[in-house]
Amino acid sequence: ETGVTQSPTHLIKTRGQQVTLRCSSQSGHNTVSWYQQALGQGPQFIFQYYREEENGRGNFPPRFSGLQFPNYSSELNVNALELDDSALYLCASSPTTSGYNEQFFGPGTRLTVL
Amino acid sequence: KQEVTQIPAALSVPEGENLVLNCSFTDSAIYNLQWFRQDPGKGLTSLLLIQSSQREQTSGRLNASLDKSSGRSTLYIAASQPGDSATYLCAVYGSGGSNYKLTFGKGTLLTVNP
Repeated sequence: ETGVTQSPTHLIKTRGQQVTLRCSSQSGHNTVSWYQQALGQGPQFIFQYYREEENGRGNFPPRFSGLQFPNYSSELNVNALELDDSALYLCASSPTTSGYNEQFFGPGTRLTVL
Repeated sequence: KQEVTQIPAALSVPEGENLVLNCSFTDSAIYNLQWFRQDPGKGLTSLLLIQSSQREQTSGRLNASLDKSSGRSTLYIAASQPGDSATYLCAVYGSGGSNYKLTFGKGTLLTVNP
């Protein structure tokens, strides 16, 4: 059974650019959530996708957007990058949207905005 | 709005000591609570998941308890080892308006000294 994978591992962008981060969910999981973790903080929920539809969203501006594909993999897109977007971006998958299900996290993508 | 607090923020202990990490949450209407471990710059490793109907879970030297009525959870680590050094995060899956996301605390940074 393959776990949650994310790519790339690290990337560096400049302010104003756009970035796309990718996540492959664990086999059999149809729900993907994205979290942003700033240095020294706990992860903050960005949004969740279930069967290619956004299922919930945290307190993030519209320049944070996402997609989920028929194979349940997902992308996080961030436009007009700001310095404060520098963080570890974590993807998590689960078997359904139920709050009783365990979340399984990937290794994360470290984004640095200069 | 669900808020999760972890105390202490940092803890340093000698090898072999038993220790307790604390987590509190403001809204007791949760689905489950997860404890995670995070090594520096890495993703999250799930340690224990406690369903809302359960009071504790055990895995090896780890024991987590949950008291929903008081909004508290503890993670007990027995016979600590230097390899236990990491940040430990507590997260709850809420009901109602936030049943689609995990809400995290800021974590406890644990250092176990040889």
